[in-house]
Amino acid sequence: DSGVTQTPKHLITATGQRVTLRCSPRSGDLSVYWYQQSLDQGLQFLIQYYNGEERAKGNILERFSAQQFPDLHSELNLSSLELGDSALYFCASSVGGDGTEAFFGQGTRLTVV
Amino acid sequence: GESVGLHLPTLSVQEGDNSIINCAYSNSASDYFIWYKQESGKGPQFIIDIRSNMDKRQGQRVTVLLNKTVKHLSLQIAATQPGDSAVYFCAENRAQGGKLIFGQGTELSVKP
Repeated sequence: DSGVTQTPKHLITATGQRVTLRCSPRSGDLSVYWYQQSLDQGLQFLIQYYNGEERAKGNILERFSAQQFPDLHSELNLSSLELGDSALYFCASSVGGDGTEAFFGQGTRLTVV
Repeated sequence: GESVGLHLPTLSVQEGDNSIINCAYSNSASDYFIWYKQESGKGPQFIIDIRSNMDKRQGQRVTVLLNKTVKHLSLQIAATQPGDSAVYFCAENRAQGGKLIFGQGTELSVKP
């Protein structure tokens, strides 16, 4: 167990809908990272927050947004969902903001039908 | 474009043998590298990391070697066990915040 908690584990939703994925980082970690894993794209970095502020951004779609709350948990919001958004979404956390020693959660499997 | 690539998509070894998983990276400015293990249905699990000022780092049954001259990274697993069967990813950090660039992964299969 990495100490990073993601909910829900599975999510099935229809195209056009909006979902929220939640991540609780390890105790003491200030950084949260979101990654998308699909069969054809591998693990792709989406966005990073450090102590409530956005730190780095990857190829995150405009339909996707995230935030980190004062208690350091984070949420990834996916809207206007398309079939191609079906993937595993992982959250990772680390103490610092430089990506070192990042520990991953078990992921949320999103299926868009 | 940016990439961290793996030479072999699959690797099959006999239980007890040593395994070597290779990874090439493209950006000589990368200064931090990590190996992750991902079992089916689970998230990537941190195995070992190395900074660019080192050539070698050892953990429990694992060793990571970094050759900056040819931009190559390898993970050596000693006395491979069935529980080591998984997909292994290398990732690099390019000192651009916390973004990790992942390779495509190598599937390691351990035969009993």
